[in-house]
Amino acid sequence: DVKVTQSSRYLVKRTGEKVFLECVQDMDHENMFWYRQDPGLGLRLIYFSYDVKMKEKGDIPEGYSVSREKKERFSLILESASTNQTSMYLCASALVGYQGGELFFGEGSRLTVL
Amino acid sequence: AQTVTQSQPEMSVQEAETVTLSCTYDTSENNYYLFWYKQPPSRQMILVIRQEAYKQQNATENRFSVNFQKAAKSFSLKISDSQLGDTAMYFCAFTPDNYGQNFVFGPGTRLSVLP
Repeated sequence: DVKVTQSSRYLVKRTGEKVFLECVQDMDHENMFWYRQDPGLGLRLIYFSYDVKMKEKGDIPEGYSVSREKKERFSLILESASTNQTSMYLCASALVGYQGGELFFGEGSRLTVL
Repeated sequence: AQTVTQSQPEMSVQEAETVTLSCTYDTSENNYYLFWYKQPPSRQMILVIRQEAYKQQNATENRFSVNFQKAAKSFSLKISDSQLGDTAMYFCAFTPDNYGQNFVFGPGTRLSVLP
């Protein structure tokens, strides 16, 4: 079974702190994603990566950056956390070329910024 | 731009009964893929069912089936014999290709199955 593991389920940070959210997948998927989930808004794409060191901005990249130094690991970075970044963050991976590519999700990281 | 709409923010159903969740989407693509994902409380999101647009036959997975109306751009999910474990957020999603890159999600429907 594909496993996508997010490093922290719950985090509480202070405004201005730097925050790292890490995600690891074990199925050699090329594509990895970071989504933000807010009530009534569904999932909004922050960034995705289609290869090591490659990234593309999603719909809401402002205030976030990402890093993919190894194929299996995709990190989301909040350089200076703000209260409006309090949210649930979901990591996902998908296989390139898989017919109707299915997304595999991690359990999510709930971030609270005080 | 492609969009996915779920018009029912919340629904409830009695255990063992049938419920239908609605989803509409907007795209100019001719072939694409549609999904229903389930997110149980405090648990990870999983795929419930997938439909390829060029296939006319509606997809089914055990108690879950879809009503895919391509001309109307409608993709509803029917859950038969509802169980308490079906309580979850349900997201309708769309991707225009099989490159595994471009997914658009609806806002979700919170389904409660009542004992």
